[in-house]
Amino acid sequence: ETGVTQTPRHLVMGMTNKKSLKCEQHLGHNAMYWYKQSAKKPLELMFVYNFKEQTENNSVPSRFSPECPNSSHLFLHLHTLQPEDSALYLCASSPSGIPYGYTFGSGTRLTVV
Amino acid sequence: AQSVAQPEDQVNVAEGNPLTVKCTYSVSGNPYLFWYVQYPNRGLQFLLKYITGDNLVKGSYGFEAEFNKSQTSFHLKKPSALVSDSALYFCAVKSSSNTGKLIFGQGTTLQVKP
Repeated sequence: ETGVTQTPRHLVMGMTNKKSLKCEQHLGHNAMYWYKQSAKKPLELMFVYNFKEQTENNSVPSRFSPECPNSSHLFLHLHTLQPEDSALYLCASSPSGIPYGYTFGSGTRLTVV
Repeated sequence: AQSVAQPEDQVNVAEGNPLTVKCTYSVSGNPYLFWYVQYPNRGLQFLLKYITGDNLVKGSYGFEAEFNKSQTSFHLKKPSALVSDSALYFCAVKSSSNTGKLIFGQGTTLQVKP
């Protein structure tokens, strides 16, 4: 375990469903991130939160809605997804500041049917 | 703009042979460089980083990387590859002059054959 926990590990949902992905860390980190990883594509940074405030949204469709209620928890709410949204969704966290890397969770494998 | 390039989509080596996974970067300011490894259906795991000091950095599982400022490179190396090293490897960079966002390369698949 890395200290960043993602649930569920696998999720199958229909295009009309609403579901949420959860990420939790108790490493004392102040920054949290959502990444999308599709087959044979580079990692795509979706959202960045620093001290619970969203600081980056990389033109992500509104069917993905992030929520960061505190520095330890990050959610990604999903609704009316498309099959092309099927991917591995990775959460990461880091301390604030320059010389630190990220700690990643194991990801949620999402399949949209 | 910051960027990271991993010029090889895949690297194939025989078990017991040395391996190199290449990475070059472009940043303004001083670079902070990282390598991560990803096994199937898992998150990225930290291998090693260069912040300052000795250009040769040693990390987990016998991996090392050499920072070369003049060539703006940070190649990952291992003297003797194992089949279990087969995975996807990502190079990443931060700059001392920005907010600290990590920029990832596109990844290199390492295949070690028995």
